Amino acid sequence: GESVGLHLPTLSVQEGDNSIINCAYSNSASDYFIWYKQESGKGPQFIIDIRSNMDKRQGQRVTVLLNKTVKHLSLQIAATQPGDSAVYFCAENSRGGKLIFGQGTELSVKP
Amino acid sequence: DTGVSQDPRHKITKRGQNVTFRCDPISEHNRLYWYRQTLGQGPEFLTYFQNEAQLEKSRLLSDRFSAERPKGSFSTLEIQRTEQGDSAMYLCASGAAGSYEQYFGPGTRLTVT
Repeated sequence: GESVGLHLPTLSVQEGDNSIINCAYSNSASDYFIWYKQESGKGPQFIIDIRSNMDKRQGQRVTVLLNKTVKHLSLQIAATQPGDSAVYFCAENSRGGKLIFGQGTELSVKP
Repeated sequence: DTGVSQDPRHKITKRGQNVTFRCDPISEHNRLYWYRQTLGQGPEFLTYFQNEAQLEKSRLLSDRFSAERPKGSFSTLEIQRTEQGDSAMYLCASGAAGSYEQYFGPGTRLTVT
């Protein structure tokens, strides 16, 4: 069946370091992938997205990499800040309909 | 603030009672999605609308759940005869038809005692 999963449930980094959060997906038909950030008690917040015809996309301090060969997605956060502490979810979408989310990775930034 | 609002933010109810949640999407978005999220898990899709039409329903949406979007603007999600297993965060998201992006509201936290 379709599934999106994350390799690590928790990640702890030092402030100023770079963070890498990984995600594996199984549906090769998915053509769009999104990373969301969710703080406690809030709804998911859109961070960055990438279409399946791309390998890399950069935003402000964030980069998403897509490796379709091994069905792997990663989110890189440069110069991680305390405000980046949250749970990060990857999600996949096909045909513009529902999103399928993974379990999430909790990022903790140590000052 | 994404522009998607949900009401109420918190709801505590006793088992067996009915509850109704409301979602107001971003005004120009014609797609509206409902998801459910339990602690430590990612959101799970429940159903979505394009304008007034309900296009897809998850098997998670049992007969006790019903969603409506009568005028293609706001939507309501009703749960009848609530059970403790219904305790979760209910999230609403909106998006434009033809776009993959979905913007989430703050959610309604339901606690069934």
